Amino acid sequence: EDKVVQSPLSLVVHEGDTVTLNCSYEVTNFRSLLWYKQEKKAPTFLFMLTSSGIEKKSGRLSSILDKKELFSILNITATQTGDSAVYLCAVEASYGQNFVFGPGTRLSVLP
Amino acid sequence: ETGVTQSPTHLIKTRGQQVTLRCSSQSGHNTVSWYQQALGQGPQFIFQYYREEENGRGNFPPRFSGLQFPNYSSELNVNALELDDSALYLCASSFPGRRGTEAFFGQGTRLTVV
Repeated sequence: EDKVVQSPLSLVVHEGDTVTLNCSYEVTNFRSLLWYKQEKKAPTFLFMLTSSGIEKKSGRLSSILDKKELFSILNITATQTGDSAVYLCAVEASYGQNFVFGPGTRLSVLP
Repeated sequence: ETGVTQSPTHLIKTRGQQVTLRCSSQSGHNTVSWYQQALGQGPQFIFQYYREEENGRGNFPPRFSGLQFPNYSSELNVNALELDDSALYLCASSFPGRRGTEAFFGQGTRLTVV
């Protein structure tokens, strides 16, 4: 059975801290891994990763994939209170098919 | 804004009733997937529609059914509602790419069954 695990499940930091969120997976036919930010309702797309070792970067957020060890990390530097959200990791297991989601990491950034 | 719209945003139903949720996909996207997200959990795949045909189904009973229309919009129908059906229902619109699929979500419908 396809599975995605995220850690930690919950994290509390102060503004300015750097955080690393982890995602590991076991799927039969890996195609891509996606990161989403969910604040209230709609998960917002952050990154799609398909190749190992290539860092994707957007402002203070960055992410990298290791297809050999089957994990990805999402880094957020100089955190702000607006970064408070649930961060979801999802894996696309077959061409054009559904995504398998992890439980999410709830990040709280205190002023 | 993703261009994926869902309606209604909130809904309260009584156990045993039926409900229909709607989703308009992003322009150019031919695939719509539905997910159920219970409080404190990640989204769980219900089913996917590709060009008006069901293209995969998760571990949900037959009382969860759906449709996709020629304009790629979609409906999720749930019959005989149970209390455990209370959740956020998310619709995702996508167009499978050669190397990976970016999926964009709507705002969701919060369903409460009492």
